[in-house]
Amino acid sequence: GAVVSQHPSWVICKSGTSVKIECRSLDFQATTMFWYRQFPKQSLMLMATSNEGSKATYEQGVEKDKFLINHASLTLSTLTVTSAHPEDSSFYICSARGNPPPGHSYNEQFFGPGTRLTVL
Amino acid sequence: QKEVEQNSGPLSVPEGAIASLNCTYSDRGSQSFFWYRQYSGKSPELIMFIYSNGDKEDGRFTAQLNKASQYVSLLIRDSQPSDSATYLCVRFGNEKLTFGTGTRLTIIP
Repeated sequence: GAVVSQHPSWVICKSGTSVKIECRSLDFQATTMFWYRQFPKQSLMLMATSNEGSKATYEQGVEKDKFLINHASLTLSTLTVTSAHPEDSSFYICSARGNPPPGHSYNEQFFGPGTRLTVL
Repeated sequence: QKEVEQNSGPLSVPEGAIASLNCTYSDRGSQSFFWYRQYSGKSPELIMFIYSNGDKEDGRFTAQLNKASQYVSLLIRDSQPSDSATYLCVRFGNEKLTFGTGTRLTIIP
């Protein structure tokens, strides 16, 4: 149980275009979803936290107008990178938290497989 | 000082030996910690979580938490080549996960 999917798994786009990444919880209701970014040889950095039906809370230094997050349902959150530039190339990972399956902590986040974005 | 600090490694351990991974944290009020494993190009996988002082064992893995010393560790017994990965020490606080930079572990056959 507690499977999270992301789509697409990788994307290549031209500079200036927008890219949408979907994060879905497949078998549980995700009351909270998190978006992370990971640059090569670095750890995951939290970008924003979103609760279903509410505006996302962005971490310091993350531009909310550039990284648009929508969490319209308990199973889907989307991250749109607007006017992408080469420096936005990174590994984007979402995670979800909700009613945990048996044997799991409420605090546990279930991670999606990640989306590798390359901006040319 | 970083919130969660780990030696980046690489740490090389012979197959069958015990691998010891260490982590220190700065916020004395921290309550819960997770250990995740991340293979190259993949997202993190949960190994275990710990929130009480002392040891917690799960199969070949033992997590240790010492709140007085602000220290967390993960022991992997009978190391296997498939254990080769980056291990992330993660603090849970304020409803968020804060990741350490990870320790790269290589198990030598």
